[in-house]
Amino acid sequence: QVQLVQSGAEVKNPGASVKVSCRASGYTLSYYAMHWVRQAPGQSLEWMGWINSLNGNKEYSQRFQGRVTITRDISASTDYVELSSLTSEDTALYYCVRGIGSDSWLWDYWGQGTLVTVSS
Amino acid sequence: DIVMTQSPDSLAVSLGERATISCRSSQSLLKSSNNKNYLAWFQQRPGQPPKMFISWASTRESGVPDRFSGSGSGTDFTLTISGLQPEDVAVYYCQQYWSAPITFGQGTRLEIK
Repeated sequence: QVQLVQSGAEVKNPGASVKVSCRASGYTLSYYAMHWVRQAPGQSLEWMGWINSLNGNKEYSQRFQGRVTITRDISASTDYVELSSLTSEDTALYYCVRGIGSDSWLWDYWGQGTLVTVSS
Repeated sequence: DIVMTQSPDSLAVSLGERATISCRSSQSLLKSSNNKNYLAWFQQRPGQPPKMFISWASTRESGVPDRFSGSGSGTDFTLTISGLQPEDVAVYYCQQYWSAPITFGQGTRLEIK
């Protein structure tokens, strides 16, 4: 069965970076797109970016002003999202979400979420 | 960015009654070449990730009860739950996937009256 298992909770100081992993099982990672979404406490959802498995391109939300980087390790069946220059406003639950196809913006499976807390 | 606005922010409905949630986008989500609206609805139960249950504004995902229906086109969309059940208590979000960045409404919290 398809599973997306994310790395554990992180506590970071302001100005630091965080890297969250998302290990895929039950399917071939390179055949499906992966999106990253975050949700601040009590807030709505915010799309961060995605990797298009059809052509390998990555696209990021400009709201993050270049602070987001998505990477993929096919050999480890794992995708990563890294967010730099953290502030308290980056405190949120971070999710990986699988596209239903290699270049799809429709989603099916979600990771369990990784809580990132930014605090001094 | 396309702004998605939902109303109301919260809603309390009696069991078995109808719940209606509206979603408006700041620009049209209808693509004329395929006559499809790039609008999805998500349900998020407490402590769980969201789950997409309607895509293309009105297409229910497999296994979704037919008491859930989506309608609308262009910039105005509606989610209707006919015959509210206890398991429908959740926050509902609309989402546009017309253009990047993908954006969501602020959410509507649905409770039992």
